[in-house]
Amino acid sequence: GDSVTQMEGPVTLSEEAFLTINCTYTATGYPSLFWYVQYPGEGLQLLLKATKADDKGSNKGFEATYRKETTSFHLEKGSVQVSDSAVYFCALSRGTGGFKTIFGAGTRLFVKA
Amino acid sequence: DAMVIQNPRYQVTQFGKPVTLSCSQTLNHNVMYWYQQKSSQAPKLLFHYYDKDFNNEADTPDNFQSRRPNTSFCFLDIRSPGLGDAAMYLCATSHGQGLMNTEAFFGQGTRLTVV
Repeated sequence: GDSVTQMEGPVTLSEEAFLTINCTYTATGYPSLFWYVQYPGEGLQLLLKATKADDKGSNKGFEATYRKETTSFHLEKGSVQVSDSAVYFCALSRGTGGFKTIFGAGTRLFVKA
Repeated sequence: DAMVIQNPRYQVTQFGKPVTLSCSQTLNHNVMYWYQQKSSQAPKLLFHYYDKDFNNEADTPDNFQSRRPNTSFCFLDIRSPGLGDAAMYLCATSHGQGLMNTEAFFGQGTRLTVV
């Protein structure tokens, strides 16, 4: 079945450091890929998405590129801020298979000033 | 403007006493989901509706039921809550058609405490 694997956390960085959170997926067909962010006590918010191979999603300085050849969708940001501290979830969804959105385990990011 | 609204934000219920969580949406999306999320874990899909078609996950306990009376509303019923059911419950919606499904839009969640 479909699955998403992302790097374990927590990840602790200093402000202005470079961030990479790895994500790989297993799915038949051509899923859409997403990164969601969750702040404490809140629901999940969409951070960015890509719907086909080689698409690059970007938002708020975060980027991720849909790499079909490596089945990956790694999240990157050039300079993190304290306000980026949150839990980040990689996810996939596709129409066939029942329109389910499948999440990775989540990676907690701490950014210290 | 809130698009997926969950009520209440916090719910305390007694062990074994039935409880209902509600979710409404203004997006007119045809897919609605209920997820259970325990501390520091990924959201776990309990079930979802594609229009009126109910899709239960194989490992969702019978204790969890759902109703979707119309496009806008969806309810999660926990028939006999146990201490292990204490969690954040997340409602989400998306628009699914053919081979494509949009991103999921989440409500703020209902945190359920069982005493």
